[in-house]
Amino acid sequence: AQSVTQLGSHVSVSEGALVLLRCNYSSSVPPYLFWYVQYPNQGLQLLLKYTTGATLVKGINGFEAEFKKSETSFHLTKPSAHMSDAAEYFCAVKGLTGGGNKLTFGTGTQLKVEL
Amino acid sequence: EAGVAQSPRYKIIEKRQSVAFWCNPISGHATLYWYQQILGQGPKLLIQFQNNGVVDDSQLPKDRFSAERLKGVDSTLKIQPAKLEDSAVYLCASSSLTGANVLTFGAGSRLTVL
Repeated sequence: AQSVTQLGSHVSVSEGALVLLRCNYSSSVPPYLFWYVQYPNQGLQLLLKYTTGATLVKGINGFEAEFKKSETSFHLTKPSAHMSDAAEYFCAVKGLTGGGNKLTFGTGTQLKVEL
Repeated sequence: EAGVAQSPRYKIIEKRQSVAFWCNPISGHATLYWYQQILGQGPKLLIQFQNNGVVDDSQLPKDRFSAERLKGVDSTLKIQPAKLEDSAVYLCASSSLTGANVLTFGAGSRLTVL
């Protein structure tokens, strides 16, 4: 069964600073990988996804993530944080067959952006 | 397009009472999901429907939780009787058959069990 581990339940950055949210996955086959964002009292919104092809994936709001098979990682980055980026971010993995075909989420990272 | 609609947004009940949540997915989306999100945790899949059939309910506590999607459109998730540990946000999501990797989530129904 696949799983994801998000390092750091809380991350704090200054406005304008680099955002780095870490995600490592465990899967017996190359998985599909996702980042979702959740603003307070709202549902999850897809930021970006990796399925096949280019390993550097660009998403909405200036975020991007790189699939690194050798490191089993899919870290989320943004060059310059904005106050509106404050939210909870979830990494998720989806296998391709059988019981691994469902979306499995990490425990989330709360991003705080300070002035 | 209209998003995934869920109701009620908030519900407070006593333990051992029952509660039902409703979800209307995006029009044309064949697949519907119910997730449970406990505070401090990531969402956990409870049940997945494709049209009106169940694809995966392996993590649904069937002694107290039930869900249906009778006409392959909207869905109801019921908890009876509720326990304290059922306090969570219940998220509904949907996806199309061609875009199965992209789930669209509703705003969720927050349940508090006292």
